[in-house]
Amino acid sequence: QSALTQPPSASGSPGQSVTISCTGTSSDVGGYDYVSWYQQHPGKAPKLMIYEVSKRPSGVPDRFSGSKSGSTASLTVSGLQAEDEADYYCSSYAGSNSYVFGTGTKVTVL
Amino acid sequence: QLQLQESGPGLVKPSETLSLTCSVSGDSISSRTYFWGWVRQPPGKGLEWIGNIFYDGSTYYNPSLRGRATISVGTSKKQFSLRLSSMTAADTAVYYCARVRRFSDYFDYWGQGTLATVSS
Repeated sequence: QSALTQPPSASGSPGQSVTISCTGTSSDVGGYDYVSWYQQHPGKAPKLMIYEVSKRPSGVPDRFSGSKSGSTASLTVSGLQAEDEADYYCSSYAGSNSYVFGTGTKVTVL
Repeated sequence: QLQLQESGPGLVKPSETLSLTCSVSGDSISSRTYFWGWVRQPPGKGLEWIGNIFYDGSTYYNPSLRGRATISVGTSKKQFSLRLSSMTAADTAVYYCARVRRFSDYFDYWGQGTLATVSS
């Protein structure tokens, strides 16, 4: 059970869009539509932003969107705002009631 | 509103066992809709799933922990616990408890986390 692969960093100017990838295998991301994304500000607990690949929990701005193609999932943040600067982690169901997280991406708003 | 709160010693000696408790308010561990789980994060590093427990006591663990983790539910059904044996410096981390939505498989509520440091 290896961690899902994410780019270490991503950045964009306010108002622009940034997309983060999350690459796994057919045993996790590619095998199930149970990919979720979490935002984590320094010193805080992770916060659920996307679940089941592309669904947004109540209260999460529609600037956040998710998608998946094969074994790679993606999170797009449109209309970047200063408060979007944070670490982002993907997670996937990996079968047999097990889960795997991504390596994490630090998003910087320039 | 659901709230989760971790508690336990902040310092553990090498080779000893870490014991943490997660107190749940606003929901019951008896719910069949959710797992209750533990996730950890070493300083400056990413998240790692440790394991989950279901209300009936069924448990599921990350194989990478090689049998060192044990999760249990308290008799009040308002607490669940983690024990991690044979602690080493590599186990130094912030430990989070979380609720996991079954069949959609996402972590929807998290505790604030508690730092456990392994040091003699």
